[in-house]
Amino acid sequence: DAGVTQSPTHLIKTRGQHVTLRCSPISGHKSVSWYQQVLGQGPQFIFQYYEKEERGRGNFPDRFSARQFPNYSSELNVNALLLGDSALYLCASSLGELQGSSYNEQFFGPGTRLTVL
Amino acid sequence: QQQVKQSPQSLIVQKGGISIINCAYENTAFDYFPWYQQFPGKGPALLIAIRPDVSEKKEGRFTISFNKSAKQFSLHIMDSQPGDSATYFCAASKKKYGNKLVFGAGTILRVKS
Repeated sequence: DAGVTQSPTHLIKTRGQHVTLRCSPISGHKSVSWYQQVLGQGPQFIFQYYEKEERGRGNFPDRFSARQFPNYSSELNVNALLLGDSALYLCASSLGELQGSSYNEQFFGPGTRLTVL
Repeated sequence: QQQVKQSPQSLIVQKGGISIINCAYENTAFDYFPWYQQFPGKGPALLIAIRPDVSEKKEGRFTISFNKSAKQFSLHIMDSQPGDSATYFCAASKKKYGNKLVFGAGTILRVKS
């Protein structure tokens, strides 16, 4: 079974440029979340999408945006790149809406390593 | 604001020993506590998770102990193996707010053979 896939694997950009990262969730999963992981730190929540709607947003500037497509894949866009945006960007997929007492386990992809020069 | 504090930052354990990683949280609304394992160049992989209505959960060599009154939880790795060498993250979330996971800063575990 295919897990969460992300593309590209690595990316090098210069300050001020724009970047688009892509994620395909596990088959049957309807929710995608994005996290930023700076070297040596834990992942930080950026966005959650479910059924193409934004369901949560972390403490990130408006330069960060995302969307989810009808096939549940997702894109993360970052405009006007800064040196501090250099990080591993992780996508996590889960089934979707919480039902009763169940919890949505999140499964992470391998990430996209973004380097901003 | 660091809502989940993890310790130690790094840990060296002999093969066959017990690895213990601790986390403390501040927000009593958290109701789901997973642990993730991350190898270099890979995404975090879910190891084991616990809800606050139980005090302990065991899966193979991995055990979570949960102390609701102290707002603390810990991961115990029994019979630690060199292949367990990785970075471990605790996390917490509030079911009411869906998928947002708040992660600790991570613990780098090295198991010496």
